[in-house]
Formats: sequence, C-alpha cells, structure tokens
Amino acid sequence: DAKTTQPTSMDCAEGRAANLPCNHSTISGNEYVYWYRQIHSQGPQYIIHGLKNNETNEMASLIITEDRKSSTLILPHATLRDTAVYYCIVRVGTGGFKTIFGAGTRLFVKA
Amino acid sequence: GAGVSQSPRYKVAKRGQDVALRCDPISGHVSLFWYQQALGQGPEFLTYFQNEAQLDKSGLPSDRFFAERPEGSVSTLKIQRTQQEDSAVYLCASSLGGFHTSGANVLTFGAGSRLTVL
Repeated sequence: DAKTTQPTSMDCAEGRAANLPCNHSTISGNEYVYWYRQIHSQGPQYIIHGLKNNETNEMASLIITEDRKSSTLILPHATLRDTAVYYCIVRVGTGGFKTIFGAGTRLFVKA
Repeated sequence: GAGVSQSPRYKVAKRGQDVALRCDPISGHVSLFWYQQALGQGPEFLTYFQNEAQLDKSGLPSDRFFAERPEGSVSTLKIQRTQQEDSAVYLCASSLGGFHTSGANVLTFGAGSRLTVL
C-alpha cells in the first residue's frame, strides 16, 4: 500500500472549517483514499473515502487532486468534539488487504 | 450485533501470565483484523482473518502471540507469558468484504482492550 504524509498537528477555531491535508504521491490506480479518526480512548472511526472524484457525506468532504497525489479532508464547521487524531490511508480496493495506519494528524479544535 | 464488541475493556496482568482478548465482529462480516496500538502511536497491524482462515499473520511480534477465529465469527487473541512491552491497546476491526471483494472496504473498529502488564 502507498505511504501517506500528514502534518503532525493542526489547530482550528470552533465553528470554522478544518482542512486536513494528506500527500500520497506514490498512490496507484486501484488504491482508494480513506480517512478515519480516533477520539481519545476509542477505536478509529471511518469518516469518508474516495477513488478519483470528490466526495461528501454528513461528516465531511474529501477533495482529491486531479493527479491523485494529494487530498484534503474538510470538516465544514468544526466543533470541540472533532478534536481527535485523523488518519489518511491509501489501500487497494479489495477486502482482504490490511489497512496500514501512520501517525496521523492531531487536530485540536479550540473554543 | 450493531457494532464490534471487545472484551475485556481493561486487563491488568502480571509479567509471565497468559491473557486472552475477545472480539465479536459485526454479524456477517467476512474479514476480521487485529491491531496493536502503543500509547501515542497509530494502530499497528497484527493479523487478518477471512472467515475462519488466518490469511496474514505477518504483524504478530513473536510466537507468544496467537489468534484464532474457529467458526468464522468470534475471534480471540491470546498472548502467552506476557511481557511489559506487550502493554498496549488491542483493537479489533471487521469489514463486510473478503479478499476478492472489489471496491472500497470500510473497517469498523471496536473500542479496544487495554492491556497493562506489571
């Protein structure tokens, strides 16, 4: 699976949009981009995924560049409860391949 | 069930003791994964099951670690002769798809079992 690079930590003001970047320059054509987050003392929680097109769901939006070498997770109106570690992962689109987590980005949402 | 259930949530063991950690995946999920997460680190892959078959155990750190899923549902991770370096949170995840399922594959994680070895 391709390796990802994320900033170690980011701050965001409550109510503002949080934009979390991820570089995945070695991504291959059959690899999806997934985002998970982990709130303290809980297991990772799935947020969103995409292959080529931008995606939006009730939690977030995912913007993938045209060359697919980077992406941005957008939390449109961050709340204090969005403080967590956010993991960007790329992996092939078949069920049996293990998901490799990096260190992620620690997002601090401040009042 | 509605989610992935893990037990116990907390386990304290004396060095040298054996421990068993249980994972109840979402009903009908084919794939099951175990991860180890040290404090301040991301989850590290341990092993993967497709139904009852253990297809990948490349992440198990030593032969003291053993996992099974005999009937393709509940899984147990066993650690023999625990050492202090085994202290971590052990996460279980399941997903609907199997090895030959195409398309995206979303993992659902349990809350984890926190093991402390004294």
